[in-house]
Amino acid sequence: DQQVKQNSPSLSVQEGRISILNCDYTNSMFDYFLWYKKYPAEGPTFLISISSIKDKNEDGRFTVFLNKSAKHLSLHIVPSQPGDSAVYFCAASAGEAGGTSYGKLTFGQGTILTVHP
Amino acid sequence: EPEVTQTPSHQVTQMGQEVILRCVPISNHLYFYWYRQILGQKVEFLVSFYNNEISEKSEIFDDQFSVERPDGSNFTLKIRSTKLEDSAMYFCASSEGHYNEQFFGPGTRLTVL
Repeated sequence: DQQVKQNSPSLSVQEGRISILNCDYTNSMFDYFLWYKKYPAEGPTFLISISSIKDKNEDGRFTVFLNKSAKHLSLHIVPSQPGDSAVYFCAASAGEAGGTSYGKLTFGQGTILTVHP
Repeated sequence: EPEVTQTPSHQVTQMGQEVILRCVPISNHLYFYWYRQILGQKVEFLVSFYNNEISEKSEIFDDQFSVERPDGSNFTLKIRSTKLEDSAMYFCASSEGHYNEQFFGPGTRLTVL
């Protein structure tokens, strides 16, 4: 199942710089997208989401951009902090479209972000 | 801040045994989910549950799996006869609505020997 893909297994950035994490999807029924952060031995922690009716959503240091025509979304973290080091998962849902999905999330493989002091 | 809790944190069992994984979702949430993550693989959807019945299930969720909300707070996943390939982290999640963000518990690591 490759409906959601995160092609970069890892990303390394310097503290204070921007981190850009990318995600591509293939299922045109997806209309709700989320980013989760995960530390080892913990469950995924919700960060930010975006509906397909928007192309940008911002929450503090985190901004998600959605390009529907390219079926691509990205998460920007500015400025990056060492505490941001974690695995970041992109997830998608076909919540409203067709009304047949009751919240099922399809996840990408994750990108390991390392922020160096 | 409200959170999803799961017990036990780690469960070791013999192949063929039954296991029950327990979850307490966030109290005002109405939708409940189970996901699993096999080591080195993606987080995979298993099942969603709303209004005391299964809303959707994946092909992984076969007759060996069942879910239940036995009271007003707990949400359980039962595996009737565990197989080696059931070894994984199992995450419970809950949300206010099916079009809202899902909040995940810390997970139960299931090891089948």
